[in-house]
Amino acid sequence: EDQVTQSPEALRLQEGESSSLNCSYTVSGLRGLFWYRQDPGKGPEFLFTLYSAGEEKEKERLKATLTKKESFLHITAPKPEDSATYLCAVTHYNQGGKLIFGQGTELSVKP
Amino acid sequence: GAVVSQHPSWVICKSGTSVKIECRSLDFQATTMFWYRQFPKQSLMLMATSNEGSKATYEQGVEKDKFLINHASLTLSTLTVTSAHPEDSSFYICGGGDRALVRPDSSYGYTFGSGTRLTVV
Repeated sequence: EDQVTQSPEALRLQEGESSSLNCSYTVSGLRGLFWYRQDPGKGPEFLFTLYSAGEEKEKERLKATLTKKESFLHITAPKPEDSATYLCAVTHYNQGGKLIFGQGTELSVKP
Repeated sequence: GAVVSQHPSWVICKSGTSVKIECRSLDFQATTMFWYRQFPKQSLMLMATSNEGSKATYEQGVEKDKFLINHASLTLSTLTVTSAHPEDSSFYICGGGDRALVRPDSSYGYTFGSGTRLTVV
């Protein structure tokens, strides 16, 4: 059965304190792994797509990496506006390409 | 960038009535549409996936006769909650994209609507 597990559930950082979020996955025939940001009461906002082990993508203070079993979202020198829930999702070639989300990591960055 | 317009953003309805939620993709064609529900402090739970030219595939435990999904065109998908009850109160989110563009040489990602807060009283 496909599984996506994110850790930690919640993370509190001081402004400028770098850290990483983890997404472990078990899926047959991975087509892509996605990272999204979700603000309260809003839909997810697309950040990155990763496809193969060793791949890295960067956007401002965020960098996403992928291995065969997990993905990391590294946040460098975060700011309060980075506070949000970060969601990891996977899709595969089978079953109509459905998109399965992890439970998310709620990030809070204090000034 | 790609935008999915979801309406209404919130709705309150009486128990036993039906509610329709609409999602339109702007500036792109969504060959695949996902419908999710989200409870407070929880992640998105997939309800169904619909692909162009085929009926929606519902997840286990989701009643297809209660949650009617119509992927009417490449730019419009609707979710109708029929005979709504208080336990159907939730945050419903749609997401769409072109599955064929999810490939190793692209940075393509599915685009989500802003969500609909449904309250059944």
